[in-house]
Amino acid sequence: AQSVTQLGSHVSVSEGALVLLRCNYSSSVPPYLFWYVQYPNQGLQLLLKYTSAATLVKGINGFEAEFKKSETSFHLTKPSAHMSDAAEYFCAVMIYNQGGKLIFGQGTELSVKP
Amino acid sequence: KAGVTQTPRYLIKTRGQQVTLSCSPISGHRSVSWYQQTPGQGLQFLFEYFSETQRNKGNFPGRFSGRQFSNSRSEMNVSTLELGDSALYLCASRESGVESDTQYFGPGTRLTVL
Repeated sequence: AQSVTQLGSHVSVSEGALVLLRCNYSSSVPPYLFWYVQYPNQGLQLLLKYTSAATLVKGINGFEAEFKKSETSFHLTKPSAHMSDAAEYFCAVMIYNQGGKLIFGQGTELSVKP
Repeated sequence: KAGVTQTPRYLIKTRGQQVTLSCSPISGHRSVSWYQQTPGQGLQFLFEYFSETQRNKGNFPGRFSGRQFSNSRSEMNVSTLELGDSALYLCASRESGVESDTQYFGPGTRLTVL
């Protein structure tokens, strides 16, 4: 069965520091991978997605993620955190022929300290 | 283009009642998916509709149902509400049925069951 694991339900960084949010997936077939961000009382906004093209994917707001098949990982990074990055981040996987079903990780809440 | 819209944004119901939530996808999008978000279970897939047909269904009881109209708008119905149905219900639309297509999320409907 496909699954997504996000390591760390809460991550705290200082403003200007590196942001690293970890995501590992389990899938028997090549997946499509997504990172979404959710601000309080809002829906989910797509940050970036991997669909078997380049393994290093660049997204919005300076975020990027690297697909590593050997490690079954898709970690999200940003070189320098900004206060506005404080939110909850979700990694998700979609499997071919599963009719629109995104499988989400449990989410990581990112706090940014001044 | 306007984004995904969901109405109402907030609902308060009592146990045993039923509720209908509405979702209008982005113009031109033919696929609509529904998700339930709770603090305990996270984001869980309910079902997806494509061209008025349900293509996939998550592991939810039959009290949860949906439909899609010819204009791609979708409704979700929950009958005989239980306290555990309190959640944020998110709708997402995508242009086609291709798995690599991005799902764009609406702001959600916050349902509280008393």
